[in-house]
Amino acid sequence: SYVLTQPPSVSVAPGKTARITCGGNNIGSKSVHWYQQKPGQAPVLVVYDDSDRPSGIPERFSGSNSGNTATLTISRVEAGDEADYYCQVWDSSSDHFYVFGTGTKVTVL
Amino acid sequence: EVQLVQSGAEVKKPGESLKISCKGSGYSFTSYWIGWVRQMPGKGLEWMGIIYPGDSDTRYSPSFQGQVTISADKSISTAYLQWSSLKASDTAMYYCARQGIAAPRPNNWFDPWGQGTLVTVSS
Repeated sequence: SYVLTQPPSVSVAPGKTARITCGGNNIGSKSVHWYQQKPGQAPVLVVYDDSDRPSGIPERFSGSNSGNTATLTISRVEAGDEADYYCQVWDSSSDHFYVFGTGTKVTVL
Repeated sequence: EVQLVQSGAEVKKPGESLKISCKGSGYSFTSYWIGWVRQMPGKGLEWMGIIYPGDSDTRYSPSFQGQVTISADKSISTAYLQWSSLKASDTAMYYCARQGIAAPRPNNWFDPWGQGTLVTVSS
């Protein structure tokens, strides 16, 4: 089955830029979606189709996808951005269909 | 407002059965796939399966096939996840989530998500 690998943790100072990677075999050929999950809350979609933002999501959240790595970038990080972030793809080549990444804990210093 | 509201937390004993629910509102319930996602304590997200309420077409992750049953009652805009015999290892938070865009096949993202149902299985 298709595997998505994320770094377990990323630390960033307020006002700086956080980059969260999501690695997968030829992931650039797939559409990647990103979710934010704060403690005790349900996941929230923050980027879909590699780089589109749902309404209500700040422009500080952006995404890119190429080759074997997709990236979620959070600019001008705020304390409220501290959360777990998961990438996700739909994999038509396996029975697992919806594949989630391993998750990254973003800590704001 | 598009919304998914899940049933409340459950505490069960091993071997008991359980059915949890997810009620959709604010959109055409029969036009969007609804998936179920498990999150074990302190762990990541795992896709369990998905159903198209329009015709009850259901797909399961191989990891959960035979372990759970997904169903839907379109007359009351509600999807279900059920177990016939719970195990302690089923202790987790379970989320339902709607596929982001209406499509005849499952193929995109999840938005929105329900608030989650915590299932605790303990003797």
